Amino acid sequence: AQTVTQSQPEMSVQEAETVTLSCTYDTSESNYYLFWYKQPPSRQMILVIRQEAYKQQNATENRFSVNFQKAAKSFSLKISDSQLGDTAMYFCAFKRTGNQFYFGTGTSLTVIP
Amino acid sequence: DSGVTQTPKHLITATGQRVTLRCSPRSGDLSVYWYQQSLDQGLQFLIQYYNGEERAKGNILERFSAQQFPDLHSELNLSSLELGDSALYFCASSGRQGSEAFFGQGTRLTVV
Repeated sequence: AQTVTQSQPEMSVQEAETVTLSCTYDTSESNYYLFWYKQPPSRQMILVIRQEAYKQQNATENRFSVNFQKAAKSFSLKISDSQLGDTAMYFCAFKRTGNQFYFGTGTSLTVIP
Repeated sequence: DSGVTQTPKHLITATGQRVTLRCSPRSGDLSVYWYQQSLDQGLQFLIQYYNGEERAKGNILERFSAQQFPDLHSELNLSSLELGDSALYFCASSGRQGSEAFFGQGTRLTVV
């Protein structure tokens, strides 16, 4: 079975600083997909970034980037120039082709003014 | 707007009752997923449907059931409700292989 581990239940960062959220996963598959979702206080689930396992290049979306280490089964999210609106719960997710999504337990991020 | 529609947005009901939550996936998405999120908790996977067929089952209680109809909308039925069933219930859909899950706004269920 696939598992996704987020070892940091809570984190905080000063506004405009950079923060990295950790995620590890366990799988025997070689082809899969990884995602980071953001859940702000409104509780809407919003996709932040996605990564295909077959791509070596790390995905980037504006201030959000990932460090994907396939051999280490690690998928961390870096948020640069943190903004107050980044305050949210962040979930890491894993998906095999055609299969269900496996979510981590989440990291609650607070951006401090 | 994710394109996934869930109704109702809020639901308050008494213990022992039965409710139905409805989900309309994004146009063309064949997969529908249901998740339960209790207060300050993570997402608990309940069940997945693909083109009308059950694809995967998670920690779904026997009191809960779901189905996906030919028009691809899905319903989650919760019966003999207990206080502990109070939660936010999300529906998500996805399309092509590797596509992300698009989430609805959720249905907030309160059992009193």
